[in-house]
Amino acid sequence: GQQLNQSPQSMFIQEGEDVSMNCTSSSIFNTWLWYKQEPGEGPVLLIALYKAGELTSNGRLTAQFGITRKDSFLNISASIPSDVGIYFCAGLTVQGAQKLVFGQGTRLTINP
Amino acid sequence: SQTIHQWPATLVQPVGSPLSLECTVEGTSNPNLYWYRQAAGRGLQLLFYSVGIGQISSEVPQNLSASRPQDRQFILSSKKLLLSDSGFYLCAWSVLGNEQYFGPGTRLTVT
Repeated sequence: GQQLNQSPQSMFIQEGEDVSMNCTSSSIFNTWLWYKQEPGEGPVLLIALYKAGELTSNGRLTAQFGITRKDSFLNISASIPSDVGIYFCAGLTVQGAQKLVFGQGTRLTINP
Repeated sequence: SQTIHQWPATLVQPVGSPLSLECTVEGTSNPNLYWYRQAAGRGLQLLFYSVGIGQISSEVPQNLSASRPQDRQFILSSKKLLLSDSGFYLCAWSVLGNEQYFGPGTRLTVT
């Protein structure tokens, strides 16, 4: 089946540093989504990307849909303590009932 | 605006007991609905999805079942829980099959 390889699995950074994470796949996706999940809560949608090459920002977050449609990255600039959580990428399959395939997540920890 | 509710928030059930988790969506019509399970804070596994009332597709053979008795209601059930059914269960909705929006989740512990 389709799989997304998300890296890194975890990051330990200082407050104020920039963060970069990415997802790759051997399959093509129509849409890339990035979610953030905090402990005990459901994932919250951060950014949606619909077009190959698209670069989209949401505040300090920037994400890009790779030209090959097989990868995406998420950057967070000037990290703050509330950025702590697990970030998931998800790709929307090109066929069937619009199912999402999720990466395994990147756990972000920030030292103040 | 749209909202999604799940209950209960937490549940502790003995092995062999039945299960019923409920998800309801407000503020939208004819959504696609999804049930996911998440183990240990990582990796969401799609269990079931539904594109309409009474229409259920199963992704993974398992001890669970799903039903959609109303347009905005999605139920996850089991007749007899196993220890391996423990986890964090998430319901999600989408319209036009694009972005999915998740509920707050139900933490299930099977003892």
